[in-house]
Amino acid sequence: DAGVIQSPRHEVTEMGQEVTLRCKPISGHDYLFWYRQTMMRGLELLIYFNNNVPIDDSGMPEDRFSAKMPNASFSTLKIQPSEPRDSAVYFCASSLSSGGHLGDEQYFGPGTRLTVT
Amino acid sequence: KQEVTQIPAALSVPEGENLVLNCSFTDSAIYNLQWFRQDPGKGLTSLLLIQSSQREQTSGRLNASLDKSSGRSTLYIAASQPGDSATYLCAVTGDDYKLSFGAGTTVTVRA
Repeated sequence: DAGVIQSPRHEVTEMGQEVTLRCKPISGHDYLFWYRQTMMRGLELLIYFNNNVPIDDSGMPEDRFSAKMPNASFSTLKIQPSEPRDSAVYFCASSLSSGGHLGDEQYFGPGTRLTVT
Repeated sequence: KQEVTQIPAALSVPEGENLVLNCSFTDSAIYNLQWFRQDPGKGLTSLLLIQSSQREQTSGRLNASLDKSSGRSTLYIAASQPGDSATYLCAVTGDDYKLSFGAGTTVTVRA
């Protein structure tokens, strides 16, 4: 398996523009997570899905952030409008549940480095 | 809210020395604990996962212990090599099934 795939790897955009980050989880995994990593706050969970359904979005910082998972092999994280403080590395991860619960290893993608000027 | 702390924040050792990385967490009601490795500009690679019912896990030169009641885990890396240089992150899965990460320990192994 190719692992978790994210695109683009780097994104530079101007404040106010819409940004869309993409993720393809490992085939067969039923959980998908979006994280943000900054020097100040470390790694933070933004939202996660189970079987394409959003389960917990309490980590999404503002209404400017939205995430979708239209099918088992694709998810997007959108920021509209973007602001300089959104600059960070955004990671997608996937996992396979055991016994109906989370608990197995999460496999991370390479991340998207977002810079908003 | 779960707080995960990693000490030390940075560590530099000569090649061949054993590494000891510490992780502590405030809420012992965890589902599992996972150790990750992160290379500069890269994603996270899972090293070891310890279920809450386990005391330790081993993989090659890596050994991780878990003392859930005291809220501690230790990652041991035997006979360190320059290729072990990276940031090591500890993360716990709470009973809400969400991962909480520590800030990491940055390791440098000098040849």
